[in-house]
Amino acid sequence: AQSVAQPEDQVNVAEGNPLTVKCTYSVSGNPYLFWYVQYPNRGLQFLLKYITGDNLVKGSYGFEAEFNKSQTSFHLKKPSALVSDSALYFCAVRDGGYSTLTFGKGTMLLVSP
Amino acid sequence: EAQVTQNPRYLITVTGKKLTVTCSQNMNHEYMSWYRQDPGLGLRQIYYSMNVEVTDKGDVPEGYKVSRKEKRNFPLILESPSPNQTSLYFCASSPDRDRAGQPQHFGDGTRLSIL
Repeated sequence: AQSVAQPEDQVNVAEGNPLTVKCTYSVSGNPYLFWYVQYPNRGLQFLLKYITGDNLVKGSYGFEAEFNKSQTSFHLKKPSALVSDSALYFCAVRDGGYSTLTFGKGTMLLVSP
Repeated sequence: EAQVTQNPRYLITVTGKKLTVTCSQNMNHEYMSWYRQDPGLGLRQIYYSMNVEVTDKGDVPEGYKVSRKEKRNFPLILESPSPNQTSLYFCASSPDRDRAGQPQHFGDGTRLSIL
């Protein structure tokens, strides 16, 4: 069975500092990996994905994520955090493209001014 | 504007009173899905549909029904709601489940409170 772990319930970072939100996964086949962001009272919005190719993928709002197959990780990163980045972030995985999408429990990112 | 629309956005009701949450998408997507979001549990899939008249159970289908009579609509039905179905519900769609690299588009959510 596929699974996703987001080990941090909350990440705190000061504005202007780099941020990392961690995600590890478990699948039996090839992983299709996604990051979504949820702002208050809104649905999830797609940020970026890894299907194949370069291990570093770039997405919306200056976010990027690094796929590491040996560590089965897909951490979300941004070089310089903004207060407006404060939101709930979800990592999700699909196993080989022929299964449903499994979400992590979410990580709340709080960026202080 | 491409969107997934859910109604109602908020509902407070009582145990046993049947309710329907509607979901409609205007992107001609084949795949639609319902999730519930609970604190500490993330999103869990309730039901999904790969196309018209094709539906299947997700991880937590008990107490829910769905139908897919038209491509654009995917209502979620609670025949006899119970307090443990109090949650935040999201509908999502994507072009085709077999094109698994396509991200899902989410509605803004429906907050249900079952008293």
